Amino acid sequence: QQQVKQSPQSLIVQKGGISIINCAYENTAFDYFPWYQQFPGKGPALLIAIRPDVSEKKEGRFTISFNKSAKQFSLHIMDSQPGDSATYFCAAIFLRNTNAGKSTFGDGTTLTVKP
Amino acid sequence: GAVVSQHPSWVICKSGTSVKIECRSLDFQATTMFWYRQFPKQSLMLMATSNEGSKATYEQGVEKDKFLINHASLTLSTLTVTSAHPEDSSFYICSAQTGKETQYFGPGTRLLVL
Repeated sequence: QQQVKQSPQSLIVQKGGISIINCAYENTAFDYFPWYQQFPGKGPALLIAIRPDVSEKKEGRFTISFNKSAKQFSLHIMDSQPGDSATYFCAAIFLRNTNAGKSTFGDGTTLTVKP
Repeated sequence: GAVVSQHPSWVICKSGTSVKIECRSLDFQATTMFWYRQFPKQSLMLMATSNEGSKATYEQGVEKDKFLINHASLTLSTLTVTSAHPEDSSFYICSAQTGKETQYFGPGTRLLVL
């Protein structure tokens, strides 16, 4: 059973456009939802994260929207740039149970921003 | 801050040999380190969770005798791939964590077994 489902698998956006990546989770016990950015041949880097008691978090051009009732969250990249071309992973983390700290990752979305 | 290094960044070895990969948190103490394996164009697959001074907890399907993990200090964890075979070729990534929320990932180690 895949606990975090991510879509789309790939995304092509024109420079200056908005990139939107969606994730849905199964387990309501998840407490923390980060997004990671990974460039080819590199390790993932934390981009932005949100707790379920907040509906939106914005950091620069990156925004997370969180819908607790629908068990969905999404990453919005405003004014997308070619340098944003990378693979993006959503994740969900338990903070309180025996698996505290362990991340469950989505399958990733490969974003290509065309100049 | 929050820098994690891995060494080596890439390694080529012959089938049957063992390879050790180091993961270091350079500017913080990590209570927990994780080891992941990533195949091309796929997500990160958690192999094991490592806490300083205790035995690693392996995920289902990961052979603990093949992938030996040692977490000797709060800044160093090592993964040893024993008797490596071509199917072990992959991108291995570690991450280090202070609290329970944020993981800081290393740059990864590409292993090619001939």
